[in-house]
Amino acid sequence: KQEVTQIPAALSVPEGENLVLNCSFTDSAIYNLQWFRQDPGKGLTSLLLIQSSQREQTSGRLNASLDKSSGRSTLYIAASQPGDSATYLCAVPPGRFGNEKLTFGTGTRLTIIP
Amino acid sequence: KAGVTQTPRYLIKTRGQQVTLSCSPISGHRSVSWYQQTPGQGLQFLFEYFSETQRNKGNFPGRFSGRQFSNSRSEMNVSTLELGDSALYLCASSLAGTREGPGELFFGEGSRLTVL
Repeated sequence: KQEVTQIPAALSVPEGENLVLNCSFTDSAIYNLQWFRQDPGKGLTSLLLIQSSQREQTSGRLNASLDKSSGRSTLYIAASQPGDSATYLCAVPPGRFGNEKLTFGTGTRLTIIP
Repeated sequence: KAGVTQTPRYLIKTRGQQVTLSCSPISGHRSVSWYQQTPGQGLQFLFEYFSETQRNKGNFPGRFSGRQFSNSRSEMNVSTLELGDSALYLCASSLAGTREGPGELFFGEGSRLTVL
């Protein structure tokens, strides 16, 4: 059974700093890994999808890396802004074709201090 | 391009009642998944529909059911509501999975259900 862990559960950093969020998964047989952000009371916004054949994926100030062999992914946020404050979740589907079910981590609540 | 639309956004019910939630996926997306989010359990998978067929199901009691229509719109129903059913119910849509793996999931804003 796939288990996804995100540490730390909460993180506060001053505005302008670069930061890294971590995601670990137990079963390395994954097709891809997806990062989301969730604002309080809102739905999930997809940030990046990184395929198992990729090592990195970038979108603006965000960069996600994936190391399948070690069961780890990181989300790097450059030059953090107060608008980046949200909960960040990583999720992986099971390694089976046609299965859209995701297993989510418990998330990291990020606070950017102005 | 319109995103995933969920209705209603908020609703209040009492124990024993039933509720139906609706989800309209992104145009062209044929897979619709439902998730329950609570502070204690996080995000948990309910079920997934593809081409009007339930393709995957999570570990929820039979009171939770769903369906998908020919236009890919989906509904989920919860009967005999319990206090513990209070949660944010999220719908996600994606293009059909390929041999390279499941597609990217896009979520709606959710339906916030409160059971009194």
